[in-house]
Amino acid sequence: DMKVTQMPRYLIKRMGENVLLECGQDMSHETMYWYRQDPGLGLQLIYISYDVDSNSEGDIPKGYRVSRKKREHFSLILDSAKTNQTSVYFCASTGTNSGNTLYFGEGSRLIVV
Amino acid sequence: QQKVQQSPESLSVPEGGMASLNCTSSDRNFQYFWWYRQHSGEGPKALMSIFSDGDKKEGRFTAHLNKASLHVSLHIRDSQPSDSALYFCAASESGYQNFYFGKGTSLTVIP
Repeated sequence: DMKVTQMPRYLIKRMGENVLLECGQDMSHETMYWYRQDPGLGLQLIYISYDVDSNSEGDIPKGYRVSRKKREHFSLILDSAKTNQTSVYFCASTGTNSGNTLYFGEGSRLIVV
Repeated sequence: QQKVQQSPESLSVPEGGMASLNCTSSDRNFQYFWWYRQHSGEGPKALMSIFSDGDKKEGRFTAHLNKASLHVSLHIRDSQPSDSALYFCAASESGYQNFYFGKGTSLTVIP
């Protein structure tokens, strides 16, 4: 169906709480990404995963960690969320079968209060 | 340092008009470029890719790449209100793995 699905779509957490953002794709893409989008800053890369258990830091990894145990699933974890992590988070995937075009999910809006 | 710069930050054009968006890279290793479009409340979606110097046309959209000047542009003719969105330029060295995005150009098409 060529879809990237993110859950949850909206989340409000208190400072210090843990946050789990989940992403799934049905295209057998090897590579998956987590970006955050803030007004005026564009899309900033947090982590990239080249395949199962093969993850690499992006440009802004501090305060985040990731997990990829299955090719179709990629999680972003915030241990002890901070107010400056309030943002919209996008998961994306790409692979050799998609012409290396990125497919994005619909985003997860996180508010940390 | 932002590796991909976009201009203008925002742009308004009348319905039926031509919209021109620009993107410049500071990294000569970038060989592959994409334009993505994001409507409000949605994730970005790929609009078109361009990997060779010159023009690439898809319907009302034309991308132009000049690798020597590291400049890529997007021209939208006969702009429609549905074209109102945030447009991102993305660049990559390899065509896969790391993609670098500009900050985006907000396009408003006025009916």
